[in-house]
Amino acid sequence: EAQVTQNPRYLITVTGKKLTVTCSQNMNHEYMSWYRQDPGLGLRQIYYSMNVEVTDKGDVPEGYKVSRKEKRNFPLILESPSPNQTSLYFCASSSSGSTDTQYFGPGTRLTVL
Amino acid sequence: GQQVMQIPQYQHVQEGEDFTTYCNSSTTLSNIQWYKQRPGGHPVFLIQLVKSGEVKKQKRLTFQFGEAKKNSSLHITATQTTDVGTYFCAGPRIGTYKYIFGTGTRLKVLA
Repeated sequence: EAQVTQNPRYLITVTGKKLTVTCSQNMNHEYMSWYRQDPGLGLRQIYYSMNVEVTDKGDVPEGYKVSRKEKRNFPLILESPSPNQTSLYFCASSSSGSTDTQYFGPGTRLTVL
Repeated sequence: GQQVMQIPQYQHVQEGEDFTTYCNSSTTLSNIQWYKQRPGGHPVFLIQLVKSGEVKKQKRLTFQFGEAKKNSSLHITATQTTDVGTYFCAGPRIGTYKYIFGTGTRLKVLA
């Protein structure tokens, strides 16, 4: 089954404790992206990747890092989480970027205390 | 910076009534996509519009892309309880692969 998976689905952590949210897709998609969703603000793009080793900033990249060492995986790293990063995070992938359907993962609800 | 606003933010309708959400971008979009997010779920792709003035239909849903490619609308005829959710428009910033999403319209359908 074609899908995007994210782990963990829920995470409660404390300020400053490094964490990684994993994202994996099995559709051989080139484009992958991370979004955060906050009430009233819709989805805002954090980082995206056009292909292996090619990443770029979205609209809200501060406090986040990503890597794309393999085509299928695109982890999101928070080196020193802060309470303002409490949010619902979605990973998405598409075949080739701006003209293709984005397939979203189930989401990760992160709470930073 | 480029912004995409959607109105209304919330809409409650009686089952059987029609519903429309409007998406307005501050700049021209090369294409526009619509997504639906059920409560507690993730966004799911509905449709993509590419051409100026394009109109597409999916059963009770009608999507329109403005002539200037700066606005779009989604109209649902005779809403059903299964239409409940938040509807987002989205599109790539011109000349980039960065995506911008609209603020969303949350639809509630009262049976």
